[in-house]
Amino acid sequence: DIQMTQSPSSLSASAGDRVTITCRASESISSFLNWYQQKPGKAPKLLIYAASSLQSGVPSRFSGSGSGTDFTLTISSLQPEDFASYYCQQSYNIPWTFGQGTKVEIK
Amino acid sequence: QVQLVQSGAEVKKPGASVKVSCKASGYTFTRYGISWVRQAPGQGLEWMGWISTYNGNTNYAQNFQDRVTMTTDTSANTAYLHLRSLRSDDSAMYYCAREWLSAWDNWGQGTLVAVSS
Repeated sequence: DIQMTQSPSSLSASAGDRVTITCRASESISSFLNWYQQKPGKAPKLLIYAASSLQSGVPSRFSGSGSGTDFTLTISSLQPEDFASYYCQQSYNIPWTFGQGTKVEIK
Repeated sequence: QVQLVQSGAEVKKPGASVKVSCKASGYTFTRYGISWVRQAPGQGLEWMGWISTYNGNTNYAQNFQDRVTMTTDTSANTAYLHLRSLRSDDSAMYYCAREWLSAWDNWGQGTLVAVSS
């Protein structure tokens, strides 16, 4: 199975900050990497697919980059509604696997 | 608009089984596969398996291979997750999700399954 490792596991930031979350795959997954946002008590929401494509309706302050084994999710200017958990997920090989998540909290 | 509506919360005893439904609307059901993902309290996301709504082919995660069955009823635009031999560590929120371009673009609201004696 492909292992996905996110860092950091949690971070504290202020509104307006630039936030970067990284995700590393245990082997190359080309660009088969997706990012999800999950708020407490809610289902995950797709933000970025295929490493860098912005899902329809998602604000442009979210962006994704990377290929192979190293990927990044960037929030250019953190908004109050962005405080949530974020998960990367590989869709290169079954079983599909997720990173352990990054919780973005208010500083 | 696309919607996936799941069945309500369940409380089960260890050893029992549970069947969760996921009713789709707002799109052609047979054009998109459905995956099931679960999340234990305070934990991360775990993929359980996938079913083709077109032909019923399935692919299950190794962890669930011998206890899970995923099915669909295309006449009702509904997917089902059947999990047997429940244990306390199966207590979790269970989500269905529509597969689109190798990602999950629409999710059900989740079904809480509690396993307790």
